[in-house]
Amino acid sequence: AQKVTQAQTEISVVEKEDVTLDCVYETRDTTYYLFWYKQPPSGELVFLIRRNSFDEQNEISGRYSWNFQKSTSSFNFTITASQVVDSAVYFCALSATQTQGAQKLVFGQGTRLTINP
Amino acid sequence: GAGVSQTPSNKVTEKGKYVELRCDPISGHTALYWYRQSLGQGPEFLIYFQGTGAADDSGLPNDRFFAVRPEGSVSTLKIQRTERGDSAVYLCASSFGGARGKEQFFGPGTRLTVL
Repeated sequence: AQKVTQAQTEISVVEKEDVTLDCVYETRDTTYYLFWYKQPPSGELVFLIRRNSFDEQNEISGRYSWNFQKSTSSFNFTITASQVVDSAVYFCALSATQTQGAQKLVFGQGTRLTINP
Repeated sequence: GAGVSQTPSNKVTEKGKYVELRCDPISGHTALYWYRQSLGQGPEFLIYFQGTGAADDSGLPNDRFFAVRPEGSVSTLKIQRTERGDSAVYLCASSFGGARGKEQFFGPGTRLTVL
């Protein structure tokens, strides 16, 4: 079975602070994919990043960065110099089935991030 | 290009009634997924279509839930004899092809309220 845990239910910071959202996953599969999605107040899930289990390189995209560590089964997300527009619920997700073509996402419970001006 | 669209955006029904929720995926996307999101929770997988066939329906909670995709494009999620516990946001997503690891693009969801 696959499981994703986002232990931080809510985080509140002041604008321009850096913030890290934690994600820990469980799977027995050797091949899997990890995702982060953003859900702003409008409700629509927005894809942010995908990482496969064979690529442990960290990634940076503007103010966003991701730290993937297989040794601790973690895929953490950092926002640098946060802005009010970053306020949203962020979900980490795992796709770990080995079945050809089947790739359901298993989501964590989400972290509600509030950036205060 | 248009994203995933879902109709209606809101649906209020009475316990015991039948409802249909529609999803129009991104043009050319062969894979389509339904998820259900309860308040304060992450989305939970319901069913996955590759083309016209349901490749994985392991997430459907019981036989009151059924989904179709007859022409490999638009999909309809059908719920019979609705119960108050069915109240949630129903999300549809699509992706290009059936390869593992493809990102899924989500629609705005249908908020279902069962009174």
